[in-house]
This record gives sequence, C-alpha cells and structure tokens, in this order.
Amino acid sequence: RKEVEQDPGPFNVPEGATVAFNCTYSNSASQSFFWYRQDCRKEPKLLMSVYSSGNEDGRFTAQLNRASQYISLLIRDSKLSDSATYLCVVRTGGFKTIFGAGTRLFVKA
Amino acid sequence: DAGVIQSPRHEVTEMGQEVTLRCKPISGHNSLFWYRQTMMRGLELLIYFNNNVPIDDSGMPEDRFSAKMPNASFSTLKIQPSEPRDSAVYFCASSFGSQETQYFGPGTRLLVL
Repeated sequence: RKEVEQDPGPFNVPEGATVAFNCTYSNSASQSFFWYRQDCRKEPKLLMSVYSSGNEDGRFTAQLNRASQYISLLIRDSKLSDSATYLCVVRTGGFKTIFGAGTRLFVKA
Repeated sequence: DAGVIQSPRHEVTEMGQEVTLRCKPISGHNSLFWYRQTMMRGLELLIYFNNNVPIDDSGMPEDRFSAKMPNASFSTLKIQPSEPRDSAVYFCASSFGSQETQYFGPGTRLLVL
C-alpha cells in the first residue's frame, strides 16, 4: 500500500463546477499536510497547507480527517486556469515528505 | 527575489556518461531537497540537506547517484555512470527549516539514451 494515495483522475468538469479531491495516508504519525499544484511541465507549487480545523483560501477549501486519515480539497466555481495536477503532500516528522501521485483536473469552457 | 535556480534545464546524454545537475537554493534557506519525478513513480525524495549536511540519503536509488552541498548556496547531484532508466525530471527544492514550505526549482529534464 502506498503511503499517500490519490485518485489519478482525470476529472473533467465544466467551468463553474465544484470539484473535490480526496487523499488518504497510511502513517497515523503524520504531522503536516499540504496541497501542491503542478502545471504541465512545471514545478510543483504550494497551493495551501491543511489544518486540523479546516481552512479556506478563496475558492479553495482544505480539510483534514485524522480519524480516517484523509485530506480533501474542494474547488468551487472552477476556472479554466485551475486545470492542473493537484498533489497531496504528507510530512511525517522532521523532513520526511511524501508526495501523492497527483490528481489531474481539466476544466472545460 | 530569485527562486531556486537549477541548471541545466535540459540534458541529453548517452548511457555510461557522467551527468551533473546543479542547484542554487533561495538565499537564506537552510534546507535543500533533491527529488526525481517520473510518470511511473511520481515525485520521490532522493536526499535532504540541512545546513549543508546530508541528513538522509535513503532515497538515493543506487551508488551511481551522489550529492554534495559544499556551501549554503550550491548543491550538485551527480549520476555516474548514467543509465536510460535514470531519465526523469530532477527537482531541487529549498526551505527555511525542514518543516517549512518547500520551494521548487524549474527542474532538469534528463534523457539518457
């Protein structure tokens, strides 16, 4: 079983739609959680950190469920520019950082 | 401010040749990470430096891979000899502290023929 698992997609949604991604992790000792975004042939960039209480940044909402060991990302009012691969990232103490394989999103006009 | 700088951006070489990838972290950052990304395996952490000292190289695939950080502003990842299965995108990332946000460089696309 992979340490961090994501549905690879792709998710094909129309502009304005709401889309949600989930990510599960296997190590219950994991301490920090993030969502990164990676555009085609570009480097990963931090989208948002994920806090225990849940957090929101504009159209993006991230949530953490420690009991079930998953994190989620909700994108509301999807834009064409949201098309990218979304990487779930889990950090387990110190520096050990595990990236999920990513979920591909295509937003269509 | 300049971000993480990597060179070369693209490298095509023949099997058996030595390859050296270079990284300049963001000024003031004391943690540096080398990653490899492939379609099959995704993004994998190869090695991590803190204050120029290698902390964990358990992700380095084989002895053919080596990494150095002679000072706070420069790191290299060397593959000798290179093999076709080393073809991938190699990213360098830096952060201020191991727990902080990692900022990635643009990557080096390596193709070993």
